[in-house]
Amino acid sequence: EIVLTQSPATLSLSPGERATLSCRASQSISTFLAWYQQKPGQAPRLLISDASNRATGIPARFSGSGSGTDFTLTISSLEPEDFAVYYCQQRSDWRTFGQGTRLEIK
Amino acid sequence: QVQLVQSGAEVKKPGASVKVSCKASGYTFTGYYIHWVRQAPGHGLEWMGCINPNSGGTNYAQKFQDRVTMTRDTSSSTAYMELSRLRSDDTAVYYCARDHPSDVRVSFDYWGQGTLVTVSS
Repeated sequence: EIVLTQSPATLSLSPGERATLSCRASQSISTFLAWYQQKPGQAPRLLISDASNRATGIPARFSGSGSGTDFTLTISSLEPEDFAVYYCQQRSDWRTFGQGTRLEIK
Repeated sequence: QVQLVQSGAEVKKPGASVKVSCKASGYTFTGYYIHWVRQAPGHGLEWMGCINPNSGGTNYAQKFQDRVTMTRDTSSSTAYMELSRLRSDDTAVYYCARDHPSDVRVSFDYWGQGTLVTVSS
């Protein structure tokens, strides 16, 4: 099973700041990585697929990068609605999720 | 528009089974896998497995291999997830989500609203 490790567990930032979230895979997964955002009481929402492909309707401030084992989700300038939990997920070997990064208001 | 609509909340006793449904609409049901993901209170997302609605073929996460059964009814575009021998730590919200078997850009792009399963004596 491919294990995804996200860091940090919690990230405290202010609106307008840049957020950098990391996801590391236990073995190479090429670019078979997606990122999701989840707010309390809601289903997750797809942000990024194939490591860097922004999903329909996702603002340009969200970007993804990486390949192999190391991946990054960047939010260029945080808006109030961006504070949520973020998960990465691989689809190289079926599917697994990372444990999540909580992005909280500082 | 694409929709995945799940069945309602369930309360079960330990040792019982639960069956959750996920009715798809707005797209070709047999063209996309249906996955099941659960989330225990205060915890992260856990992938349970998936079904190919076209063939009926399934793949289960090892953790659930001996307790989960995923099926589908193509006539009603509905997928089902049955979990047996329930324990208190199976208390969670269960989601269905779709993705495309080969187009990696279509990864869990639509989700059901979630079904809360509570296991309590």
